[in-house]
Amino acid sequence: KNEVEQSPQNLTAQEGEFITINCSYSVGISALHWLQQHPGGGIVSLFMLSSGKKKHGRLIATINIQEKHSSLHITASHPRDSAVYICAVRSIQGAQKLVFGQGTRLTINP
Amino acid sequence: DTGVSQDPRHKITKRGQNVTFRCDPISEHNRLYWYRQTLGQGPEFLTYFQNEAQLEKSRLLSDRFSAERPKGSFSTLEIQRTEQGDSAMYLCASSLGASTEQFFGPGTRLTVL
Repeated sequence: KNEVEQSPQNLTAQEGEFITINCSYSVGISALHWLQQHPGGGIVSLFMLSSGKKKHGRLIATINIQEKHSSLHITASHPRDSAVYICAVRSIQGAQKLVFGQGTRLTINP
Repeated sequence: DTGVSQDPRHKITKRGQNVTFRCDPISEHNRLYWYRQTLGQGPEFLTYFQNEAQLEKSRLLSDRFSAERPKGSFSTLEIQRTEQGDSAMYLCASSLGASTEQFFGPGTRLTVL
């Protein structure tokens, strides 16, 4: 079992829909990252969380440390949100390296 | 553009050849990380540097792989005697310290024929 599991692996929705991507992890962490990867490979950091909730524009990230679970929400989704969203955790034991989930491929249709 | 650059962006090579990739991090960042990503998977950690010191290497980094960061600025990742299984995207990231956000480069896509 992977240390970081994301669901769903693939998600297709219509423009305007509310999107939720989930991430569960099995190790103690010092921080959790949500990343966005567009075709061609470039990765952009969206959020870094250690507790609670963060919001940036239409994106909201939450984390529940006790349940070892995080969610990424996108409100009023748009076709330009289509990308792979990756959850990554920094283990408290792992010398600060990131451990990544397998990613969620999101497609927003107009 | 995150400020982290990688060169080349694409590399096609024949099995058995050596390849070298370069990463230029954000200038004040003291931490530099190398990751590998195969198709449909999330990235996997390979190694990281704090300044010029290589502090950790993954089991994924076989003897054919070597990484350097000679002056604590840019880094190189060399793969000797490439194999088809080395085909992947090689990503570099940098950060200011251990507990801060990592900024990723665009990656180098390696194809071994």
